[in-house]
Amino acid sequence: DTGVSQNPRHKITKRGQNVTFRCDPISEHNRLYWYRQTLGQGPEFLTYFQNEAQLEKSRLLSDRFSAERPKGSFSTLEIQRTEQGDSAMYLCASSRFNSGNTIYFGEGSWLTVV
Amino acid sequence: QKEVEQNSGPLSVPEGAIASLNCTYSDRGSQSFFWYRQYSGKSPELIMSIYSNGDKEDGRFTAQLNKASQYVSLLIRDSQPSDSATYLCAVLGSSNTGKLIFGQGTTLQVKP
Repeated sequence: DTGVSQNPRHKITKRGQNVTFRCDPISEHNRLYWYRQTLGQGPEFLTYFQNEAQLEKSRLLSDRFSAERPKGSFSTLEIQRTEQGDSAMYLCASSRFNSGNTIYFGEGSWLTVV
Repeated sequence: QKEVEQNSGPLSVPEGAIASLNCTYSDRGSQSFFWYRQYSGKSPELIMSIYSNGDKEDGRFTAQLNKASQYVSLLIRDSQPSDSATYLCAVLGSSNTGKLIFGQGTTLQVKP
């Protein structure tokens, strides 16, 4: 399967700890997105990369959140000093620029902060 | 006003009926529109995209777009219990980031 891959799929952490999620996009997809989804809501945009450049970051995104995409391949999303409100599903998605921008999602990483 | 609005439902239809899901958006410059299906506990799965005014059919699914009214809909014909899921409307904004803005989703229940 060459879809978007995310890991870990589930993470339980204590409040105040740091967590990191990894996303491997579909090969040859140069755009990569991170979204967050809580129960009963649609996915909320967090940030977006085109190749290795982080081109947009949601104004709602706390300074505790940081994302990287070294060499324009895989990406990591780190949450520092986690809070209970960070509990959500973190979705990674990728697309190829000028392909109609169809975005494909990974299976998501569930975070529970206790 | 939310950028993309959907009725959260639940929308309940009997098996075999037509389910009609609606979505409105606020950015008049939006050019691309998508419907995703999301089963409970799973990630969104793309089922339809539409870019031009009118209807686009794919199997039992028909997407309808009216840019003048800023309205997108999804019709599911011959609804099956396996269609029970949350349907997310997503709109590509007029800025060229490729960022999709999602509605909150409509929960569809198809009753046998």
